[in-house]
Amino acid sequence: DIRMTQSPASLSASLGETVNIECLASEDIYSDLAWYQQKPGKSPQLLIYNANSLQNGVPSRFSGSGSGTQYSLKINSLQSEDVATYFCQQYNNYPRTFGGGTKLELK
Amino acid sequence: QIQLVQSGPELKKPGESVKISCKASGYTFTDYAMHWVKQVPGKGLKWMGWINTYTGKPTYADDFKGRFVFSLEASASTANLQISNLKNEDTANVFCARRGLRGNWFAYWGQGTLVTVSS
Repeated sequence: DIRMTQSPASLSASLGETVNIECLASEDIYSDLAWYQQKPGKSPQLLIYNANSLQNGVPSRFSGSGSGTQYSLKINSLQSEDVATYFCQQYNNYPRTFGGGTKLELK
Repeated sequence: QIQLVQSGPELKKPGESVKISCKASGYTFTDYAMHWVKQVPGKGLKWMGWINTYTGKPTYADDFKGRFVFSLEASASTANLQISNLKNEDTANVFCARRGLRGNWFAYWGQGTLVTVSS
């Protein structure tokens, strides 16, 4: 199984700040990586697919980058509505696997 | 618009069974597989497996072999998950999810069904 290691597990940032979340795959996943945002009591919502493609309707302050085994999600100019937990997920191989999540809070 | 609507919360005792449904709308049901994802409250996401909605063939992740059954009511555009011999550790939110139009990321998710197992 491909192991997805996400860091940090939690993060506190101020409004307007830039935030970076990292995801490390245990083997090359060839950019088959998605990022999801999950708010309490809700289902995950797709933000980024193919490592760097922005899903329709997602604000442009979200961006993804990376290749091979290392990927990152960047949130520019943090807004209050960005408070959530973020997960990475690989879809290069079965079983599909997720990172452990990053809980983003406001400072 | 594409929607996945799941059945309501369930409260069960250990040893009982539960059946969760996921009704799809807004697309041809048999064109896309349905996946199932488990989330223990406050924890991460774990992929349970998927069912081919055209052939009905299920595929289970290793941790979900034995007590878990994926099934279809294709005429009703509905995928089901049945869990038998429930254990306390089955307490979780369970989501159905479908891939996107152009790739294998999960673009569409049900709202989740909370299964609580407690004596």
